[in-house]
Amino acid sequence: AQSVAQPEDQVNVAEGNPLTVKCTYSVSGNPYLFWYVQYPNRGLQFLLKYITGDNLVKGSYGFEAEFNKSQTSFHLKKPSALVSDSALYFCAVRPLMDSNYQLIWGAGTKLIIKP
Amino acid sequence: GAVVSQHPSWVICKSGTSVKIECRSLDFQATTMFWYRQFPKQSLMLMATSNEGSKATYEQGVEKDKFLINHASLTLSTLTVTSAHPEDSSFYICSAREGRGTSAYGYTFGSGTRLTVV
Repeated sequence: AQSVAQPEDQVNVAEGNPLTVKCTYSVSGNPYLFWYVQYPNRGLQFLLKYITGDNLVKGSYGFEAEFNKSQTSFHLKKPSALVSDSALYFCAVRPLMDSNYQLIWGAGTKLIIKP
Repeated sequence: GAVVSQHPSWVICKSGTSVKIECRSLDFQATTMFWYRQFPKQSLMLMATSNEGSKATYEQGVEKDKFLINHASLTLSTLTVTSAHPEDSSFYICSAREGRGTSAYGYTFGSGTRLTVV
């Protein structure tokens, strides 16, 4: 079965330090990869996506993600964390063979940035 | 950028009544609309997928007679929770996909609706 794993329920980082939120996937073929952020009682905001090309993708709010095909990973990174980055982060994958364009979601990782 | 307006943002209703949630794509045509349900501290659970002008495709375990989805136009989709019960209380989120252009790879989310059934 196709799946997306976010192995950490929660990540704690001190403000100013680099952060990484991990995501690995098990999907046939070369999927499209996404990161979204959710603030409390809000919908999801798009951060970045990988379709093709350069493995390092830059997105909103200073976030970036690195696609690693051999490790089937798409980890989210930021060089210097802000307290305002504290939120729930979701990794999602769209298998290219899915004609319904549905996304497969990770369980989410709560990111806490401490001042 | 693409915007999806979802209303209401929160609603409290009595058990046995029906509630309608609307999602409108403001500056693009939503070829496909996805409806999700999210439980506290959990990921999104896909309820159904609807294409404009077609009947929605429901995921296994989702009652189509309880959760009525209409996608009559390219800019409006609605989810009606019929005969709501307390166990239907949840956070509901819509997501729209535009079928053309570079945004074909993207999905735009509504801000969500907090439904509380008392």
